[in-house]
Amino acid sequence: DAKTTQPTSMDCAEGRAANLPCNHSTISGNEYVYWYRQIHSQGPQYIIHGLKNNETNEMASLIITEDRKSSTLILPHATLRDTAVYYCIVRASATYKYIFGTGTRLKVLA
Amino acid sequence: DAGVTQSPTHLIKTRGQQVTLRCSPKSGHDTVSWYQQALGQGPQFIFQYYEEEERQRGNFPDRFSGHQFPNYSSELNVNALLLGDSALYLCASSLKGGVEAFFGQGTRLTVV
Repeated sequence: DAKTTQPTSMDCAEGRAANLPCNHSTISGNEYVYWYRQIHSQGPQYIIHGLKNNETNEMASLIITEDRKSSTLILPHATLRDTAVYYCIVRASATYKYIFGTGTRLKVLA
Repeated sequence: DAGVTQSPTHLIKTRGQQVTLRCSPKSGHDTVSWYQQALGQGPQFIFQYYEEEERQRGNFPDRFSGHQFPNYSSELNVNALLLGDSALYLCASSLKGGVEAFFGQGTRLTVV
């Protein structure tokens, strides 16, 4: 199972873009990059996922480097409600076995 | 759609006892996975059920067992509870071949 590395914590000013990096240098060709977040010990919430191309949805954008060894989750206009632990996960296409790391604790500051 | 529902929300057990946690998947989902999340840690994969069989298992002892019923709901059983089993237990459901897994709010188990 590919492993991910994320910074332990980050701060972001409210209204600014939050850029959360993730390293997944051992990712395989059939493995997707997923991002989930967990707010105050609730269940993790799906944000976005991608394989090779950059992706965007109503919550965030995902930028994956051309060699697929790293990615960045972008929250375009962070709000206080975005304060959470963000997990970057690599998942093989045939399984829902997510390998979580310790994630990045994002604090959005007023 | 109620999403993934877990019961109970909180539970206190004594060391050595047995516990059963329950999960109802999101409507239409046929795959259920269980995770253990210790305080300050990311969730750890326990096992996954599909078509009433355990399909994948993480690095957990045999004290952890499960079951999936014909309606896709699932139970997690833990025998001979240890203090270290205190954690938030999360259930996630998905549709085989689908995009993402949906997590429930979890069951907070405290072993005293």
